[in-house]
Amino acid sequence: QKEVEQNSGPLSVPEGAIASLNCTYSDRVSQSFFWYRQYSGKSPELIMSIYSNGDKEDGRFTAQLNKASQYVSLLIRDSQPSDSATYLCAVSRSGGGSYIPTFGRGTSLIVHP
Amino acid sequence: SQTIHQWPATLVQPVGSPLSLECTVEGTSNPNLYWYRQAAGRGLQLLFYSVGIGQISSEVPQNLSASRPQDRQFILSSKKLLLSDSGFYLCAWTSSGANVLTFGAGSRLTVL
Repeated sequence: QKEVEQNSGPLSVPEGAIASLNCTYSDRVSQSFFWYRQYSGKSPELIMSIYSNGDKEDGRFTAQLNKASQYVSLLIRDSQPSDSATYLCAVSRSGGGSYIPTFGRGTSLIVHP
Repeated sequence: SQTIHQWPATLVQPVGSPLSLECTVEGTSNPNLYWYRQAAGRGLQLLFYSVGIGQISSEVPQNLSASRPQDRQFILSSKKLLLSDSGFYLCAWTSSGANVLTFGAGSRLTVL
């Protein structure tokens, strides 16, 4: 069974610190990797996508991918209380003419003032 | 621009009653459509996906079914709800050949 594993947390960091969120996946043929943010009671929204090994930066967010280690991470610099949410890692493979995203259970992040 | 609508937002149903959740996408054609469920304290579980009208793939066997009667309409149904069907149901779409999901606002189902 293809799995995506995340530490459920909560991960608590002070305002202004770097938050580091990690994710591992089991399916070696996975092609696309995503981080979604989900506020309590709301639907997930895309933060970052990454498709090749290395780092990808977008503002305060950096996604890191290591396919050899089957590892994806998300760094949030200068964390703000508004970053407090659950962060979902998703891994996608192709099949049946469509991409099939599989999600981890999410890591709860708390940024305290 | 593309938008996704999902309804109802909230519903409370007795065990054994039927269910119908509807999802529509505007501003695009031939989208890939998905139904996910998020149970309390658990991750997103893919239930069904569809690449076209009448084409439904089921990821997890259960007492739910899905239908796609029109290009941009995706319906999740059950004939008899179970307590374990409670959860947050999310419809999502991608462009054909793309892999970035956009979610609807979700439907929160409580089965009593």
